[in-house]
Amino acid sequence: DTGVSQNPRHKITKRGQNVTFRCDPISEHNRLYWYRQTLGQGPEFLTYFQNEAQLEKSRLLSDRFSAERPKGSFSTLEIQRTEQGDSAMYLCASSPYRSYNVGEKLFFGSGTQLSVL
Amino acid sequence: DQQVKQNSPSLSVQEGRISILNCDYTNSMFDYFLWYKKYPAEGPTFLISISSIKDKNEDGRFTVFLNKSAKHLSLHIVPSQPGDSAVYFCAASGGGADGLTFGKGTHLIIQP
Repeated sequence: DTGVSQNPRHKITKRGQNVTFRCDPISEHNRLYWYRQTLGQGPEFLTYFQNEAQLEKSRLLSDRFSAERPKGSFSTLEIQRTEQGDSAMYLCASSPYRSYNVGEKLFFGSGTQLSVL
Repeated sequence: DQQVKQNSPSLSVQEGRISILNCDYTNSMFDYFLWYKKYPAEGPTFLISISSIKDKNEDGRFTVFLNKSAKHLSLHIVPSQPGDSAVYFCAASGGGADGLTFGKGTHLIIQP
């Protein structure tokens, strides 16, 4: 399977615990995005990387959230001291970005569903 | 402020008929528009896209129309099939930011 892979698919945790999610993008894709989706809403941008550089972070991303993409391959998203409001589906997407292309098409993984009790 | 709006949370269509999903946007700098389809507990999958230099793009049963002056696009599915039942997201790129800006989605239900 050469699609975007996310692990785990589901995570249940208690409030105050730390959680970490992993995303493996499509291998030749240089951009990797993290989005969050809650019920009744569309995916909301959190942050993205071009290769190993984190280029932008949304104001939605509080200090409790940190993302890394060492060596420009897989990425991890960590949430510290989880809160009930963090319950959502966390989506990872990758794209083969080229500045000369018109538009950017993102390929999404199946997501990690986080439930904070 | 939502830059991409899908004002119909749900739409019910009879199998075999045409489904029309609508999307409005406010940012005139958007230059590329996409439709994604999402099943429960799965990530969005790309369906069809259109560049702002075009007004129509067709792929099999799916056609996207873009009206730049009205800042409006629509997705037509004909004929509608039971497997088309899903949530459809309109998304836009450009607009001064990287990545995609999504609408809230429309839940399409195909009735047998």
